[in-house]
Parts: sequence; structure tokens; C-alpha cells
Amino acid sequence: DTAVSQTPKYLVTQMGNDKSIKCEQNLGHDTMYWYKQDSKKFLKIMFSYNNKELIINETVPNRFSPKSPDKAHLNLHINSLELGDSAVYFCASSQVTGGPGNEQFFGPGTRLTVL
Amino acid sequence: AQKVTQAQTEISVVEKEDVTLDCVYETRDTTYYLFWYKQPPSGELVFLIRRNSFDEQNEISGRYSWNFQKSTSSFNFTITASQVVDSAVYFCALTHGSSNTGKLIFGQGTTLQVKP
Repeated sequence: DTAVSQTPKYLVTQMGNDKSIKCEQNLGHDTMYWYKQDSKKFLKIMFSYNNKELIINETVPNRFSPKSPDKAHLNLHINSLELGDSAVYFCASSQVTGGPGNEQFFGPGTRLTVL
Repeated sequence: AQKVTQAQTEISVVEKEDVTLDCVYETRDTTYYLFWYKQPPSGELVFLIRRNSFDEQNEISGRYSWNFQKSTSSFNFTITASQVVDSAVYFCALTHGSSNTGKLIFGQGTTLQVKP
């Protein structure tokens, strides 16, 4: 049973298009995250939601809009895609309340390629 | 500011060699947590270990061991008798304990190649 799942796994699209990536966790965690991994493998946090409330927004362009309909889901919508958005996007979850140092569990990643 | 540095970009060893991956961190917090994650060629991120700032005991798990030294702000990872399946990118990461965000700050990663 997959703990953190993301769809789609691969996304190839043209510049200027709008696309969404979906994430779901079945671990009962209260916090979910989006990370971006660039071509040099560097991982950087983009957003975090705790119980559906946005708590981290790391100076990400406002073309990126996260949405958390409930604490088990965190989606990422990207408008007007640019070449520089090509990357692997990871969703993760953890239980922060009562344990800020708890490990994060990551989804399999979504490889986005913008042509 | 918080920062994690993994100075070794790539390491190549021959199977059965021991290898140590270095991790140096910076933080002003007294309570913090350090992590290691493995990213094999298949791309997923696999949690390996967590250590809190008050626990400086070294940890051993099979062929893996971790050495946490607050005096040098380091949390190094050693693989003993490396195997080809250990080939991966390894990330060290930090989060501060006073935060309610759980935000992870990652190092740049070290790519380990184990040759048969």
C-alpha cells in the first residue's frame, strides 16, 4: 500500500501550458510538502501545508499555486509553464505536531519536462 | 541561517571498500534534527536515519554507520564493505526543532558510485 503517491509520474508539455500534479498520503500525517529537484539534483522546499493551512511559501513564483482540499491531499498547479520549470517535483508528508523532527516520507516524484 | 554542506560531489569506489560521506551543517538553534536520505537511480527518496541534537551517540545499522559530532557540526555517514546496490545520491538534511513546519534543508548531495 503506497504511503505517498503522486500523479502523474511523467509530464511533458509545451511552454505556456497549465498543468497540475496531484499528491495523496495515507499515513495520517498532518503536514505535506512540495519540493523541487533541479537538474543538478539540488532539493529545495517550495510549499508546506499543515492541516490544510499554508505554512511555508519559499519565494516561489505565483505561477505555482498549491491547494490542499484536505490534510491527505496536496496538489500543485502551475500556470504558464516555462522552460526553467523542468525538474522533478516531490511531494512529502510528515507528522509535525508533537514531533517537528519526524522524518518525511516522499512520493515517487513527478518528472516535468517543458518543451 | 541554516545550511548543510556536502563537499563531496561524487565519490567512486570499488566494491567492498569502505566509504565515508561527509556532512557539515550550520544552525543557531540548540534543538535540531539531522537526516540522511538515499536516492537510488530509480529516483525515489528513501529515509535512512534521523538524529536529534541532544543525542551524540553514534549509530550502526548493518553496514551503515553514522558519526554525529556537535563540536565540528558534522554528521558523517560511513558504508562498510560497499556494494553495487549502494550506488545512489545521498543527501544530508537539517530541520530545526523549534519550528512547527518540519522544513528540511538539504545538502547538495553526494553521488556514490560503487564499481564491481
